[in-house]
Amino acid sequence: DGGITQSPKYLFRKEGQNVTLSCEQNLNHDAMYWYRQDPGQGLRLIYYSQIVNDFQKGDIAEGYSVSREKKESFPLTVTSAQKNPTAFYLCASSLGQGQETQYFGPGTRLLVL
Amino acid sequence: AQSVTQLDSQVPVFEEAPVELRCNYSSSVSVYLFWYVQYPNQGLQLLLKYLSGSTLVESINGFEAEFNKSQTSFHLRKPSVHISDTAEYFCAVSKTSGSRLTFGEGTQLTVNP
Repeated sequence: DGGITQSPKYLFRKEGQNVTLSCEQNLNHDAMYWYRQDPGQGLRLIYYSQIVNDFQKGDIAEGYSVSREKKESFPLTVTSAQKNPTAFYLCASSLGQGQETQYFGPGTRLLVL
Repeated sequence: AQSVTQLDSQVPVFEEAPVELRCNYSSSVSVYLFWYVQYPNQGLQLLLKYLSGSTLVESINGFEAEFNKSQTSFHLRKPSVHISDTAEYFCAVSKTSGSRLTFGEGTQLTVNP
């Protein structure tokens, strides 16, 4: 089955700890995205990548980092600099090149202990 | 830059009643428009989209939306809702020349028996 997988479904972080959220797609999409969802605020773009080995900051990139070493993978690291990391994180992908329907993974809920 | 306003944060309706979820957008350039649906603790699923052509677009489960350029709106309607339509609905916009989606804050539709 083609799609986007995110792991883990739930993740707990201790104060001062970095954690990495996984996102993998087998849709052969060029573009991938990370969003953060908080109640009543919709989805806000953290980072996006339109091609391997390249990525751009979104609207709320501070305290986060990404890499895009492979077309199918776009991991997100929540660093200790992110002071309010508790949220639902969604990964998405699209064909790119103007075909802008985005397909979403099931999400990872991050909780701070 | 684009922006999206969803005018109602919560819409409660009775089963088999009609519903309209309102979405207005702001952009200085041509846009694509999308409606996504999110069930609890899941990712977003594309409901319908307007890219070009007919201004009235339909989904497979009875929803429809009409692109109104003069009023910069893309309201979502369904003539008769079911309990299973209970979910959060997000309106989103992207530039026709770009890859980023801008989301509204979401509308929680609750269908009561």
